[in-house]
Amino acid sequence: AQKVTQAQTEISVVEKEDVTLDCVYETRDTTYYLFWYKQPPSGELVFLIRRNSFDEQNEISGRYSWNFQKSTSSFNFTITASQVVDSAVYFCALRGNRDDKIIFGKGTRLHILP
Amino acid sequence: NAGVTQTPKFQVLKTGQSMTLQCAQDMNHNSMYWYRQDPGMGLRLIYYSASEGTTDKGEVPNGYNVSRLNKREFSLRLESAAPSQTSVYFCASSPLALGQGALGNQPQHFGDGTRLSIL
Repeated sequence: AQKVTQAQTEISVVEKEDVTLDCVYETRDTTYYLFWYKQPPSGELVFLIRRNSFDEQNEISGRYSWNFQKSTSSFNFTITASQVVDSAVYFCALRGNRDDKIIFGKGTRLHILP
Repeated sequence: NAGVTQTPKFQVLKTGQSMTLQCAQDMNHNSMYWYRQDPGMGLRLIYYSASEGTTDKGEVPNGYNVSRLNKREFSLRLESAAPSQTSVYFCASSPLALGQGALGNQPQHFGDGTRLSIL
């Protein structure tokens, strides 16, 4: 069975601090796909990034970076120099290679305090 | 530029009433999904459809039925609503299913959600 664990329910940091959101996944599939989504207070779900299991290269996009480590089944998300606009709920999601089911973690609510 | 459209946006039902949530996408996507979002529970998959004519159960299918009417539309039906089904429901679509020769790394596009309250 597939599972995504986001152990941090809620995090608060002061603006300009760096913050890392953890995502740990479980799957029996040898090929799988990971995603991060953002849900701002307005409620819509916004795709941030995807990662194939066979591509372990880490990625940086502006203030955002993602660290994929197959050895620890983790796909963590770091925001550098956080801003108030980063306040949102962030979801990690997993898709295996046997079906089209996409499973989400419970999300981490991030508060960036001015 | 509609993307994924859900109707209605809000609904209040009484226990035992039935209701169909509608979802339509105009991106020619093959896969469609229904999720529910509850406080502290994240997004939980109810049903999904890899292609027109096929549907499969997700994590929490009990109490729901779905219909993939055509490629564009995927509806979710509550036959006899219960207070435990009070939630925000999201529909999503994704371009291709795994069986169509594509990688599974295509992101989902989400609708704006339907807030459903059952009294």
